[in-house]
Amino acid sequence: RKEVEQDPGPFNVPEGATVAFNCTYSNSASQSFFWYRQDCRKEPKLLMSVYSSGNEDGRFTAQLNRASQYISLLIRDSKLSDSATYLCVGGYNFNKFYFGSGTKLNVKP
Amino acid sequence: EAQVTQNPRYLITVTGKKLTVTCSQNMNHEYMSWYRQDPGLGLRQIYYSMNVEVTDKGDVPEGYKVSRKEKRNFPLILESPSPNQTSLYFCASSGTDRFNYGYTFGSGTRLTVV
Repeated sequence: RKEVEQDPGPFNVPEGATVAFNCTYSNSASQSFFWYRQDCRKEPKLLMSVYSSGNEDGRFTAQLNRASQYISLLIRDSKLSDSATYLCVGGYNFNKFYFGSGTKLNVKP
Repeated sequence: EAQVTQNPRYLITVTGKKLTVTCSQNMNHEYMSWYRQDPGLGLRQIYYSMNVEVTDKGDVPEGYKVSRKEKRNFPLILESPSPNQTSLYFCASSGTDRFNYGYTFGSGTRLTVV
């Protein structure tokens, strides 16, 4: 079983739509969680950290549910420029961060 | 500009010919790591380094070597590359606050072994 699992998608949504991704993690000792964005063939870039209390950055909201061991990312008012692959990351000790395989988002006009 | 620099960006080589992919960061980060990314498998850690002269295996270390002689540099060495090492490689670095701020990645090296 993978440490971090994501639905690969693709999620095809129209501009202006709200879209949500979930990601499950298997290790209950996981301490840190992130969402990264990766454009085709480019390096992953940190989108946001995920805190226990949840956090919001503009149109993006991340939530952590420790009881069910999943994290979520909500994107409101989708833009064409949001089209990318979103990687979920979980870390559970000082050295280990596990990446999901990514969820592909296509935002269409 | 704070960044992680990898070279080369693209490399095609033949089986068995030793190669080195360089990685350098200018952020004075203690922690550096190498990942490979393959379709459907996500990013998998090859090796990591907590600081100078401190390195350890990640999840897929077979066929790779690393060294950390200086804080800023963390080269990845393939002593005898094989076709199953064809992949997209990323170097990443982080400071001691990585549990809050995650990694900074280099631009990637696309390696093809024929």
